[in-house]
Amino acid sequence: EDQVTQSPEALRLQEGESSSLNCSYTVSGLRGLFWYRQDPGKGPEFLFTLYSAGEEKEKERLKATLTKKESFLHITAPKPEDSATYLCAVQASGSARQLTFGSGTQLTVLP
Amino acid sequence: NAGVTQTPKFQVLKTGQSMTLQCAQDMNHEYMSWYRQDPGMGLRLIHYSVGAGITDQGEVPNGYNVSRSTTEDFPLRLLSAAPSQTSVYFCASSYSWGPSKSRGYTFGSGTRLTVV
Repeated sequence: EDQVTQSPEALRLQEGESSSLNCSYTVSGLRGLFWYRQDPGKGPEFLFTLYSAGEEKEKERLKATLTKKESFLHITAPKPEDSATYLCAVQASGSARQLTFGSGTQLTVLP
Repeated sequence: NAGVTQTPKFQVLKTGQSMTLQCAQDMNHEYMSWYRQDPGMGLRLIHYSVGAGITDQGEVPNGYNVSRSTTEDFPLRLLSAAPSQTSVYFCASSYSWGPSKSRGYTFGSGTRLTVV
């Protein structure tokens, strides 16, 4: 059974204080790992897709990395507008039409 | 604006009532799906469709029905609402038969359902 565990559940940072969010996964053949951002009362918004260990993707203050067992979302010098819940999801080779999601990390960036 | 539209945004039902959650997309996406999101749990797949006339079950299909008569619309029906179906429901779509490599899924803004 595919599993995704995200940590920490919640993270509070001061503006400018860099940190990382973790996504550990167990999947029978990774087809893709996805990161989403979700604002309160909104649907998830796509950020990145990673496909193979060693791959990195960047967008503004966010950088996602991937190993064979986990992915990290690094947030550099965050701003209050980066506050959101960040979701990780995996797509397994055997179930290419669906994603298995983690429960998310709620990030709060204080001014 | 192109995207996924869900209606209603909020709904309160009594136990045993039935209702339909609407989902429409104007991006000509073949793939559409329904997820539910509960506190402390990840999004869980209810049903999905890879094209008009084709639907299949996801992880948590019990108590829900779907149909896909057009490419644009994918309604979710609750046959007899139960308190355990209190949740936030999201519709998602994609060009391909699964999440797009460059865009993942496009999600709607959700329907918050409370069953009392």
